[in-house]
Amino acid sequence: DGGITQSPKYLFRKEGQNVTLSCEQNLNHDAMYWYRQDPGQGLRLIYYSQIVNDFQKGDIAEGYSVSREKKESFPLTVTSAQKNPTAFYLCASSSERESEQFFGPGTRLTVL
Amino acid sequence: QKEVEQDPGPLSVPEGAIVSLNCTYSNSAFQYFMWYRQYSRKGPELLMYTYSSGNKEDGRFTAQVDKSSKYISLFIRDSQPSDSATYLCAMRRGSTLGRLYFGRGTQLTVWP
Repeated sequence: DGGITQSPKYLFRKEGQNVTLSCEQNLNHDAMYWYRQDPGQGLRLIYYSQIVNDFQKGDIAEGYSVSREKKESFPLTVTSAQKNPTAFYLCASSSERESEQFFGPGTRLTVL
Repeated sequence: QKEVEQDPGPLSVPEGAIVSLNCTYSNSAFQYFMWYRQYSRKGPELLMYTYSSGNKEDGRFTAQVDKSSKYISLFIRDSQPSDSATYLCAMRRGSTLGRLYFGRGTQLTVWP
């Protein structure tokens, strides 16, 4: 089955710790995206990458970092500099052949 | 001013009602318009996709785009309890590899 996987589904961390969220796709998509969703806030773009080894900041990149070493993988690190990291994180991907962005199931991060 | 405005609701209607969801936007460069449906704690899924102005119908769903007014709508006919979800409007300028701009989402409940 083709799709986007995000792991884990739920993640708990202590304040001050860095944490890395996984996103893998086997759709052969060129572009990948990370969004953050808070209640009533819609989706806000953190980072996106249109090609391997390149990525751009979105609207709320502060306190986050990414890498794109492989086409199928786009991990997101939530650093201790992120002031309010508790949220639902969504990964997406797209290609030039298709009109839509496909979303993964999301990871709910809770920082205690 | 946010680039995409969407009333978050919540909106509650009886089964069988016609539902109207709307978004306004400020950037005249947007050309592609989408509606995503998101069930609780899941990733969004594409519901409707339109290019430029006009109407598009798919079963009980109709998407309308009025670029002159910078206004898009989604109509749901004969609404069902299974339509209860958050509906997110999204739009982008050009390339399918480019970023999407999302509204805040409207939470819809259809009660039997």
